Amino acid sequence: DVKVTQSSRYLVKRTGEKVFLECVQDMDHENMFWYRQDPGLGLRLIYFSYDVKMKEKGDIPEGYSVSREKKERFSLILESASTNQTSMYLCASMGRENYGYTFGSGTRLTVV
Amino acid sequence: DQQVKQNSPSLSVQEGRISILNCDYTNSMFDYFLWYKKYPAEGPTFLISISSIKDKNEDGRFTVFLNKSAKHLSLHIVPSQPGDSAVYFCAASLYNQGGKLIFGQGTELSVKP
Repeated sequence: DVKVTQSSRYLVKRTGEKVFLECVQDMDHENMFWYRQDPGLGLRLIYFSYDVKMKEKGDIPEGYSVSREKKERFSLILESASTNQTSMYLCASMGRENYGYTFGSGTRLTVV
Repeated sequence: DQQVKQNSPSLSVQEGRISILNCDYTNSMFDYFLWYKKYPAEGPTFLISISSIKDKNEDGRFTVFLNKSAKHLSLHIVPSQPGDSAVYFCAASLYNQGGKLIFGQGTELSVKP
């Protein structure tokens, strides 16, 4: 089974801090995605990546950046955390052959 | 602009009965639709999918129906079990968007014993 691992389950950060959320997958998938989940809004795409060093903006990229230096790792960066970035962050990966994502367990980020 | 909509935030069903979760979409170019299930404090897990060239796909207790003219899909769970209690997300994909999925808001299903 594909495993997608997010480094932290819960994080509490202060406003203005730079925050790194890490995601690692072990199935050599080309595509990786970062979503955030908020009540009533579902899952919204922040950034995604087709391959190493490639990245594309999703629907809500403002205040975020990403890094994909290695195929298995996709990092989400909050340049200067704000309270409206308090959310559940979900990483997913997908192979080229199918449409199904495999998600990580999520990181619940609270910005105070 | 919400391209994939789940208008029912919650649904309560008796164990053994049918659960019907609905999803509407606005973009007729979507070519693939999926349903995901999410328990609290876990990531979503893939449940079932359907290609836009089909109108029905079945997997055990789960069936997805697609009505392209109405831009509507539904997930039927028969019979419903308490373990089915979770949040269900529908998602849609565009062929030329590299697998990017657009999700609905989710419907929280509660199956009562």
